[in-house]
Amino acid sequence: DAKTTQPPSMDCAEGRAANLPCNHSTISGNEYVYWYRQIHSQGPQYIIHGLKNNETNEMASLIITEDRKSSTLILPHATLRDTAVYYCIVRPLPPVVGTSYGKLTFGQGTILTVHP
Amino acid sequence: DSGVTQTPKHLITATGQRVTLRCSPRSGDLSVYWYQQSLDQGLQFLIQYYNGEERAKGNILERFSAQQFPDLHSELNLSSLELGDSALYFCASGRWANEQFFGPGTRLTVL
Repeated sequence: DAKTTQPPSMDCAEGRAANLPCNHSTISGNEYVYWYRQIHSQGPQYIIHGLKNNETNEMASLIITEDRKSSTLILPHATLRDTAVYYCIVRPLPPVVGTSYGKLTFGQGTILTVHP
Repeated sequence: DSGVTQTPKHLITATGQRVTLRCSPRSGDLSVYWYQQSLDQGLQFLIQYYNGEERAKGNILERFSAQQFPDLHSELNLSSLELGDSALYFCASGRWANEQFFGPGTRLTVL
């Protein structure tokens, strides 16, 4: 799996957008960008994933640069409950459910602190 | 609530002992993954099962073993426990390739 680089920590004011960057300069053509978050010792939670187009769901938006070497996770209106460790993970989309590609390789992530 | 359940929530035991952690995946999910989270190593993948068969192994020690039963629940067995095995152990399950749903974890303390 491609290596990712994330800032160790970031701050954000409540109600503002939180923009979390991730560098994945060695990403391969078949690798997707996934984002998970972990709120204080709870199990990690899936947020969003994408290949090359920008993606949006009810939780966040994912912006992937045209060369795919970096991406940004955007939480449009951060709340105190968004304080968590955010992990950017790059891996192939398993062609078949149950193959060994399913595992997630977590880095150190970014500690996002949302302030009142 | 992810739909994945793990028991027990907390476990305190002594060095040299053996424990079993249990995971019930979301209904219909055939894949089960085990992860270990310690302060110094972060979140690490241990092992994956799919419909009862082992599919992938990560940094799992020989003292650790796992299995997935016909009803799809899974157990992680940790033996000859050492102080360094103290950690949070997460189970995750998935049906499709995109997402994994994590349980609340079992916090193991080895004294």
